[in-house]
Amino acid sequence: QQQVKQSPQSLIVQKGGISIINCAYENTAFDYFPWYQQFPGKGPALLIAIRPDVSEKKEGRFTISFNKSAKQFSLHIMDSQPGDSATYFCAASGQVSYNTDKLIFGTGTRLQVFP
Amino acid sequence: EPEVTQTPSHQVTQMGQEVILRCVPISNHLYFYWYRQILGQKVEFLVSFYNNEISEKSEIFDDQFSVERPDGSNFTLKIRSTKLEDSAMYFCASTMDRGTPLHFGNGTRLTVT
Repeated sequence: QQQVKQSPQSLIVQKGGISIINCAYENTAFDYFPWYQQFPGKGPALLIAIRPDVSEKKEGRFTISFNKSAKQFSLHIMDSQPGDSATYFCAASGQVSYNTDKLIFGTGTRLQVFP
Repeated sequence: EPEVTQTPSHQVTQMGQEVILRCVPISNHLYFYWYRQILGQKVEFLVSFYNNEISEKSEIFDDQFSVERPDGSNFTLKIRSTKLEDSAMYFCASTMDRGTPLHFGNGTRLTVT
Protein backbone atom coordinates (compact mmCIF):
# COMPACT_ATOMS: atom_id res chain seq x y z
CA GLN A 1 0.00 0.00 0.00
CA GLN A 2 3.06 2.24 0.28
CA GLN A 3 4.00 1.84 -3.39
CA VAL A 4 3.88 4.46 -6.10
CA LYS A 5 3.73 2.98 -9.60
CA GLN A 6 5.25 5.00 -12.43
CA SER A 7 5.13 4.59 -16.20
CA PRO A 8 6.62 4.54 -18.73
CA GLN A 9 10.10 3.44 -17.75
CA SER A 10 11.57 5.40 -20.65
CA LEU A 11 10.25 7.98 -23.06
CA ILE A 12 11.61 9.43 -26.27
CA VAL A 13 10.10 12.68 -27.50
CA GLN A 14 10.97 15.04 -30.28
CA LYS A 15 11.79 18.63 -29.50
CA GLY A 16 8.60 20.65 -29.20
CA GLY A 17 6.49 17.63 -28.34
CA ILE A 18 4.57 16.82 -25.18
CA SER A 19 6.04 14.43 -22.63
CA ILE A 20 3.56 12.64 -20.37
CA ILE A 21 4.54 10.54 -17.35
CA ASN A 22 1.95 8.77 -15.21
CA CYS A 23 1.87 7.67 -11.60
CA ALA A 24 -0.61 5.77 -9.46
CA TYR A 25 -0.80 5.29 -5.71
CA GLU A 26 -2.82 3.20 -3.29
CA ASN A 27 -2.48 4.84 0.10
CA THR A 28 -5.31 7.35 0.54
CA ALA A 29 -3.37 8.95 3.41
CA PHE A 30 -0.94 10.47 0.92
CA ASP A 31 -1.51 14.21 0.72
CA TYR A 32 1.50 15.60 -1.10
CA PHE A 33 2.63 14.62 -4.59
CA PRO A 34 5.90 16.09 -5.89
CA TRP A 35 7.78 15.47 -9.09
CA TYR A 36 11.56 15.40 -9.02
CA GLN A 37 14.00 15.83 -11.91
CA GLN A 38 17.38 14.13 -11.71
CA PHE A 39 20.36 14.68 -13.99
CA PRO A 40 23.22 12.13 -14.05
CA GLY A 41 25.48 12.48 -11.03
CA LYS A 42 23.12 14.87 -9.26
CA GLY A 43 20.55 14.59 -6.55
CA PRO A 44 16.82 14.80 -7.26
CA ALA A 45 15.60 18.38 -7.60
CA LEU A 46 12.00 19.38 -6.94
CA LEU A 47 10.24 20.35 -10.15
CA ILE A 48 6.61 20.85 -9.18
CA ALA A 49 4.24 19.52 -6.53
CA ILE A 50 0.51 19.27 -5.92
CA ARG A 51 -1.85 18.61 -3.03
CA PRO A 52 -5.13 16.72 -3.51
CA ASP A 53 -7.34 19.77 -3.02
CA VAL A 54 -6.68 20.85 -6.64
CA SER A 55 -6.91 18.87 -9.88
CA GLU A 56 -4.21 20.69 -11.81
CA LYS A 57 -1.15 22.83 -11.19
CA LYS A 58 0.88 24.57 -13.86
CA GLU A 59 4.33 26.11 -13.62
CA GLY A 60 5.71 27.28 -16.94
CA ARG A 61 5.92 24.30 -19.31
CA PHE A 62 5.26 21.79 -16.50
CA THR A 63 1.75 20.73 -15.45
CA ILE A 64 0.58 18.18 -12.89
CA SER A 65 -2.85 16.66 -13.41
CA PHE A 66 -4.34 14.98 -10.35
CA ASN A 67 -7.26 12.55 -10.24
CA LYS A 68 -8.11 11.86 -6.61
CA SER A 69 -10.85 9.30 -7.28
CA ALA A 70 -8.60 7.26 -9.57
CA LYS A 71 -5.57 7.79 -7.29
CA GLN A 72 -3.50 8.87 -10.26
CA PHE A 73 -1.40 11.87 -11.13
CA SER A 74 0.64 12.77 -14.15
CA LEU A 75 3.33 15.18 -15.31
CA HIS A 76 2.98 16.93 -18.65
CA ILE A 77 5.96 18.71 -20.15
CA MET A 78 4.84 21.00 -22.95
CA ASP A 79 7.21 22.08 -25.74
CA SER A 80 9.81 19.53 -24.57
CA GLN A 81 13.43 20.64 -24.99
CA PRO A 82 16.70 18.68 -25.18
CA GLY A 83 17.63 20.25 -21.83
CA ASP A 84 14.64 18.43 -20.30
CA SER A 85 16.40 15.11 -20.92
CA ALA A 86 16.70 13.62 -17.44
CA THR A 87 15.13 11.04 -15.17
CA TYR A 88 11.82 12.06 -13.62
CA PHE A 89 10.50 10.62 -10.39
CA CYS A 90 7.03 11.02 -8.99
CA ALA A 91 6.69 10.72 -5.24
CA ALA A 92 4.10 10.80 -2.52
CA SER A 93 4.02 11.46 1.18
CA GLY A 94 1.52 11.83 3.97
CA GLN A 95 1.20 12.05 7.68
CA VAL A 96 2.41 8.52 8.31
CA SER A 97 3.93 9.54 11.61
CA TYR A 98 4.01 12.66 13.69
CA ASN A 99 7.55 13.79 12.94
CA THR A 100 8.27 12.87 9.36
CA ASP A 101 7.18 13.44 5.77
CA LYS A 102 9.09 10.59 4.17
CA LEU A 103 8.77 10.44 0.40
CA ILE A 104 7.82 7.25 -1.40
CA PHE A 105 9.31 7.45 -4.88
CA GLY A 106 8.16 5.93 -8.13
CA THR A 107 10.58 3.88 -10.19
CA GLY A 108 11.55 6.75 -12.48
CA THR A 109 11.14 7.63 -16.15
CA ARG A 110 14.15 8.33 -18.32
CA LEU A 111 13.14 11.07 -20.75
CA GLN A 112 15.16 11.74 -23.88
CA VAL A 113 14.25 14.72 -26.03
CA PHE A 114 15.79 14.73 -29.48
CA PRO A 115 16.29 17.90 -31.56
CA GLU B 1 20.55 29.61 -3.09
CA PRO B 2 21.40 27.49 -0.02
CA GLU B 3 22.38 23.91 -0.77
CA VAL B 4 22.68 20.58 0.99
CA THR B 5 26.32 19.54 0.69
CA GLN B 6 27.60 15.99 0.94
CA THR B 7 31.11 14.63 1.32
CA PRO B 8 32.83 12.70 -0.05
CA SER B 9 31.36 12.53 -3.52
CA HIS B 10 32.73 9.01 -3.96
CA GLN B 11 33.83 6.54 -1.32
CA VAL B 12 35.37 3.16 -2.03
CA THR B 13 35.64 0.72 0.85
CA GLN B 14 36.26 -2.94 1.46
CA MET B 15 33.54 -5.25 2.66
CA GLY B 16 33.35 -5.29 6.45
CA GLN B 17 34.79 -1.80 6.88
CA GLU B 18 33.00 1.07 8.55
CA VAL B 19 32.12 4.17 6.55
CA ILE B 20 30.78 7.55 7.56
CA LEU B 21 28.95 9.67 5.04
CA ARG B 22 28.72 13.35 5.84
CA CYS B 23 26.11 15.96 5.09
CA VAL B 24 25.68 19.62 5.87
CA PRO B 25 21.95 20.40 5.61
CA ILE B 26 20.62 23.85 4.84
CA SER B 27 21.23 25.93 7.95
CA ASN B 28 17.69 26.75 9.09
CA HIS B 29 16.26 23.32 8.30
CA LEU B 30 14.99 21.11 11.09
CA TYR B 31 14.12 17.80 9.46
CA PHE B 32 16.84 15.60 8.01
CA TYR B 33 16.72 12.49 5.87
CA TRP B 34 18.91 9.87 4.26
CA TYR B 35 17.83 8.13 1.07
CA ARG B 36 19.68 5.71 -1.13
CA GLN B 37 19.54 4.85 -4.81
CA ILE B 38 20.99 1.61 -6.12
CA LEU B 39 22.29 2.15 -9.65
CA GLY B 40 19.42 2.51 -12.11
CA GLN B 41 16.74 2.00 -9.47
CA LYS B 42 14.37 4.24 -7.55
CA VAL B 43 15.25 6.43 -4.63
CA GLU B 44 14.47 4.68 -1.33
CA PHE B 45 13.86 6.18 2.09
CA LEU B 46 16.27 5.10 4.81
CA VAL B 47 15.71 7.29 7.86
CA SER B 48 14.33 10.60 9.07
CA PHE B 49 15.71 12.62 11.97
CA TYR B 50 14.13 15.44 13.94
CA ASN B 51 14.81 17.04 17.29
CA ASN B 52 17.97 14.96 17.73
CA GLU B 53 16.31 11.62 17.34
CA ILE B 54 15.21 9.19 14.66
CA SER B 55 11.56 9.80 13.82
CA GLU B 56 11.14 6.99 11.32
CA LYS B 57 13.29 4.35 9.66
CA SER B 58 12.77 1.84 6.87
CA GLU B 59 13.37 -1.90 6.87
CA ILE B 60 16.66 -1.22 5.07
CA PHE B 61 17.93 0.77 8.06
CA ASP B 62 19.01 -2.16 10.22
CA ASP B 63 21.45 -2.32 13.12
CA GLN B 64 24.41 -1.75 10.80
CA PHE B 65 23.22 1.80 10.18
CA SER B 66 23.23 4.77 12.51
CA VAL B 67 22.77 8.51 12.16
CA GLU B 68 24.06 11.37 14.21
CA ARG B 69 23.98 15.12 14.33
CA PRO B 70 27.21 15.68 16.25
CA ASP B 71 27.04 19.47 16.15
CA GLY B 72 24.75 22.21 14.85
CA SER B 73 25.67 21.75 11.20
CA ASN B 74 26.64 18.17 10.30
CA PHE B 75 24.41 15.14 9.82
CA THR B 76 26.14 11.79 9.37
CA LEU B 77 25.23 8.30 8.27
CA LYS B 78 27.44 5.50 9.56
CA ILE B 79 27.47 1.99 8.15
CA ARG B 80 29.23 -0.18 10.69
CA SER B 81 30.23 -3.19 8.61
CA THR B 82 29.65 -2.63 4.92
CA LYS B 83 28.30 -5.33 2.61
CA LEU B 84 28.51 -5.56 -1.16
CA GLU B 85 24.80 -4.73 -1.40
CA ASP B 86 25.36 -1.43 0.38
CA SER B 87 26.90 -0.11 -2.85
CA ALA B 88 24.63 2.74 -3.92
CA MET B 89 24.25 6.52 -4.10
CA TYR B 90 23.36 7.91 -0.71
CA PHE B 91 21.45 11.18 -0.66
CA CYS B 92 21.01 13.48 2.28
CA ALA B 93 17.98 15.75 2.31
CA SER B 94 16.59 18.42 4.57
CA THR B 95 13.50 20.52 4.97
CA MET B 96 12.45 23.43 7.13
CA ASP B 97 9.09 22.15 8.26
CA ARG B 98 6.48 19.48 7.65
CA GLY B 99 4.87 19.86 4.25
CA THR B 100 7.66 21.98 2.77
CA PRO B 101 9.84 20.85 -0.13
CA LEU B 102 12.68 18.44 0.49
CA HIS B 103 16.10 19.63 -0.70
CA PHE B 104 18.54 16.91 -1.74
CA GLY B 105 22.32 16.96 -1.86
CA ASN B 106 24.25 15.62 -4.85
CA GLY B 107 24.92 12.36 -3.10
CA THR B 108 27.84 10.15 -2.11
CA ARG B 109 28.54 7.20 -4.36
CA LEU B 110 29.53 4.32 -2.08
CA THR B 111 31.31 1.40 -3.70
CA VAL B 112 31.92 -1.68 -1.54
CA THR B 113 34.46 -4.13 -2.94
